[in-house]
Amino acid sequence: TQLLEQSPQFLSIQEGENLTVYCNSSSVFSSLQWYRQEPGEGPVLLVTVVTGGEVKKLKRLTFQFGDARKDSSLHITAAQPGDTGLYLCAGDRLETSGSRLTFGEGTQLTVNP
Amino acid sequence: NAGVTQTPKFRILKIGQSMTLQCTQDMNHNYMYWYRQDPGMGLKLIYYSVGAGITDKGEVPNGYNVSRSTTEDFPLRLELAAPSQTSVYFCASTLATGGRSYGYTFGSGTRLTVV
Repeated sequence: TQLLEQSPQFLSIQEGENLTVYCNSSSVFSSLQWYRQEPGEGPVLLVTVVTGGEVKKLKRLTFQFGDARKDSSLHITAAQPGDTGLYLCAGDRLETSGSRLTFGEGTQLTVNP
Repeated sequence: NAGVTQTPKFRILKIGQSMTLQCTQDMNHNYMYWYRQDPGMGLKLIYYSVGAGITDKGEVPNGYNVSRSTTEDFPLRLELAAPSQTSVYFCASTLATGGRSYGYTFGSGTRLTVV
């Protein structure tokens, strides 16, 4: 059972287009983290959202945490070829033993010039 | 500041061989993790540690062992390599306060092939 459903799995768009990636679950998370991964490298943290309804902006990237803290979205405005990469969402359920991230399967984004 | 360092970067093992994947961090993070990533998949948690001397199983611990004798180091041991362990392995760490983390730092990975 996939705890975090990420969609779409693949996305190929032209430079300048907008896009949204979704991350959904039936579980409540104490926080939701978004990472970006490039080939041959480890994931790099983009943002952490912790409050239901929270919206964070990072230049052309907008992250939203659902009111019930079960889902999140990543919106990119005017995508550029440098945005190409694997985007991963990860939920932290804050187990009694402490932080344990569960990852979605990722969205492979390709932005064509 | 090196962050999280993993060695080796690449390794080919024969079925039944053993090896240790090394991971060290210099950020004084209390929590450390081992994940594996298979093609087209997200990351699956193998083992984690909330501090020196404390380790616990993740989602996919079978075939692996870990130890955490110091804050800095968290090696992952494969005792009898199997083809199913062919994967990319990532070590990560975080500073968790009250058990809560605001982001993990990952190493650059070890690509392991078992033939």
